Amino acid sequence: DGGITQSPKYLFRKEGQNVTLSCEQNLNHDAMYWYRQDPGQGLRLIYYSQIVNDFQKGDIAEGYSVSREKKESFPLTVTSAQKNPTAFYLCASTLTVTQPQHFGDGTRLSIL
Amino acid sequence: GENVEQHPSTLSVQEGDSAVIKCTYSDSASNYFPWYKQELGKGPQLIIDIRSNVGEKKDQRIAVTLNKTAKHFSLHITETQPEDSAVYFCAASTGSARQLTFGSGTQLTVLP
Repeated sequence: DGGITQSPKYLFRKEGQNVTLSCEQNLNHDAMYWYRQDPGQGLRLIYYSQIVNDFQKGDIAEGYSVSREKKESFPLTVTSAQKNPTAFYLCASTLTVTQPQHFGDGTRLSIL
Repeated sequence: GENVEQHPSTLSVQEGDSAVIKCTYSDSASNYFPWYKQELGKGPQLIIDIRSNVGEKKDQRIAVTLNKTAKHFSLHITETQPEDSAVYFCAASTGSARQLTFGSGTQLTVLP
């Protein structure tokens, strides 16, 4: 089945540590997105990518980094500079910006 | 940039009753309005969407209405069932590369 796979489902970070969240899609979508979701809030855009080797900052990019070396993969690194990383992280993709976004099932990141 | 406001934040209805969730947007250039349903621990799932050249769209028990003049759109769920209980998000898009701006979500509870 085609879809978006996020891993791991749960992730724990120690102080001063960088962690990387995986997002893989087999939908042949060009555009991919990372969102952060906090309790009682909507989805806030961290980074997005329209094509391979190109990406742009969203509204809350500070403390995060991404890469887009392959069409199907868009990993997100939460760096030690992100002081409040505890959240639910969602990855999405779409064929074009005029089409709906499809979401993965998220990664929940917590601080040890 | 675009700002989307969503009301109410929580909504409880009796099984079989109707539920209405309302959103307003700020950017008159927005032309695509999807609605997502998010169950606990899962990613959002698209349930219905509407484009600015249409005033209403229905899919079985779900309908969306759009008033471009007033810049608001609404989700209507009729004959609610317990499995409709979830968080619902509205979103708006101008068709730019970053695509969607989300509302803050509505927790719908359908009481048996």
